[in-house]
Order: sequence, then C-alpha cells, then structure tokens
Amino acid sequence: DAGVIQSPRHEVTEMGQEVTLRCKPISGHNSLFWYRQTMMRGLELLIYFNNNVPIDDSGMPEDRFSAKMPNASFSTLKIQPSEPRDSAVYFCASTLDPASGANVLTFGAGSRLTVL
Amino acid sequence: SQQGEEDPQALSIQEGENATMNCSYKTSINNLQWYRQNSGRGLVHLILIRSNEREKHSGRLRVTLDTSKKSSSLLITASRAADTASYFCATSTNAGKSTFGDGTTLTVKP
Repeated sequence: DAGVIQSPRHEVTEMGQEVTLRCKPISGHNSLFWYRQTMMRGLELLIYFNNNVPIDDSGMPEDRFSAKMPNASFSTLKIQPSEPRDSAVYFCASTLDPASGANVLTFGAGSRLTVL
Repeated sequence: SQQGEEDPQALSIQEGENATMNCSYKTSINNLQWYRQNSGRGLVHLILIRSNEREKHSGRLRVTLDTSKKSSSLLITASRAADTASYFCATSTNAGKSTFGDGTTLTVKP
C-alpha cells in the first residue's frame, strides 16, 4: 500500500479563493482524520469520519471550512473563502478501527497551504 | 484546547545520553500514543500504551503511563543524532477521537 496520499503537497493562493485539499486513506481503513498544524496552535483535530460518516467536527474553525467523505477511498477538505490565517500544514490520517484500543494513525505527508 | 501537553517544549542533549519527555492530559483515555515528526514530514507512530498498562518497551523506547496522574513519559535511551525530531503524545478516547499535545522538540548533538 502506498500509504495515505494527500494532494496537493503545496498550494499558494490568494485570499478569497477556494481551496480544496484531497486525501486517499489506506485501503481497508475505516476512519479518517483531518488535522491542521501551525506553530501557534500546534496540531489541531478538525474533523474525523468513521465509515464515511462525520463523527466529530467540533474542531472545524468556522463555516468557511467543510469536509466530505463520499466513499471509503476519498475525502476532501474545502476552505471557501480562504484567509491568510488559514495558512498551515493540513494532515490527513487514517486508521483501521478508531475505538479498538489499538488505533494507530497513519499520516499522509501533508498539504502546505499558504494564503496570501 | 489540546488534550495533551508535553514538557519540556525543547530538549537538547549529546549523542549517547538518554532523553525523557513528559505528557499530561485532561480526560479519560482509551490509550496513549507517541509519535515522531521529522521536519517537513508527517507524523510516524512510535508506540502505543493502553489505559490498563503501566509500562511498555520497544527497542530503545520506554513509555510509562500513570492514569491517576493523567501523565505519561517517553524515554529514549542511548540517543543518536538521527533521533532529532519533534515528539508528540496523542490520547485516544473510547469513541476513537485522537488529539495531540504540543510536542517536544529534541535535538541530539553528535
């Protein structure tokens, strides 16, 4: 397996533009997490899905952020409109069974977003 | 706010020395995990300790968990320059929600 695949790896955009980040989890994993990492706030959990259903989106900063998981092999995180404070590295991670007690997360390489 | 808090924030040691990092958390957990992140990369899982375990070993890593104090420690023995990275603890609830601490940046000088 190629691991968790994220795209794009880097994105530079202007304030007000729509940004879409993509994630392909490991085949067979049934849970997917989106995290945001910044120097100021560290690694924040934005939302996680179990069997394609959003379980907890309490970390989504505001209505400008939305996430979907239309099927087991694909998820998107969308920011519309983007703002400079959204600049961060966004990580996607997946795991086999989040409530098993042995839920090791496998992370993607991250998408570095810069909003000018 | 984040579930876990690591200390120290930064640690600098000489190669061959041991490195100890601590993590405190706030709520009940199912398990606690430690991850490593090299600069510019994603996080990589190191070791998991369940809430009913007190100590676990994996190679040069030793993890302890004290659920009464809501704290954990990660010990890296005989450190190497290649251990230079940021180390994060993550706590997982029974519902599977995993949240991370702020991390400890370890520098091992050759």
